[in-house]
Amino acid sequence: AQSVTQLDSQVPVFEEAPVELRCNYSSSVSVYLFWYVQYPNQGLQLLLKYLSGSTLVKGINGFEAEFNKSQTSFHLRKPSVHISDTAEYFCAVTMSGGYNKLIFGAGTRLAVHP
Amino acid sequence: DSGVTQTPKHLITATGQRVTLRCSPRSGDLSVYWYQQSLDQGLQFLIQYYNGEERAKGNILERFSAQQFPDLHSELNLSSLELGDSALYFCASSVGGGTANEQFFGPGTRLTVL
Repeated sequence: AQSVTQLDSQVPVFEEAPVELRCNYSSSVSVYLFWYVQYPNQGLQLLLKYLSGSTLVKGINGFEAEFNKSQTSFHLRKPSVHISDTAEYFCAVTMSGGYNKLIFGAGTRLAVHP
Repeated sequence: DSGVTQTPKHLITATGQRVTLRCSPRSGDLSVYWYQQSLDQGLQFLIQYYNGEERAKGNILERFSAQQFPDLHSELNLSSLELGDSALYFCASSVGGGTANEQFFGPGTRLTVL
């Protein structure tokens, strides 16, 4: 079975500062990895995904993530955050070649302060 | 706007009652997924349908059932409701049913059981 651990429940950061949201996963088989964002009172929106190939994945809104198989991590980064990035961020995993059910982490609340 | 619609947006009901949540997938998407988001359990996969057939099952209670109709919309039925069923219920859709298919999430239905 797969599981996802998001190491920080909350991350406060000042506007224009860099940020890293950490995600580790556990799986005995190959996985696909995803980061979703949830703005207040909205559904989830896909930021980026890793299926195969280059381990550095670029997504929307200036976010990127790096897949590290040896450390079973998929950390999300942004070099300079904006107030509008304030939201809940979810890391998710699904088993490659299996059923398309996303297993989510508990989420990280990113709070960007002026 | 993801193109996935869910009705109603909010639902308030009493314990022991039965409710039906409705989801219309994006045009062209054959697969529909249901997820539950609650404070204590986080985001959990409930069930997946692909072109009218059940494809995968997650942590779905026996009191809950779902179906996907010929026009591809889906309904999630929750019966004998308990206080702990209060949650945000998301529907998502994807073109195919396999794990490389991106899931697009609807805005959710917020269920409050009193």
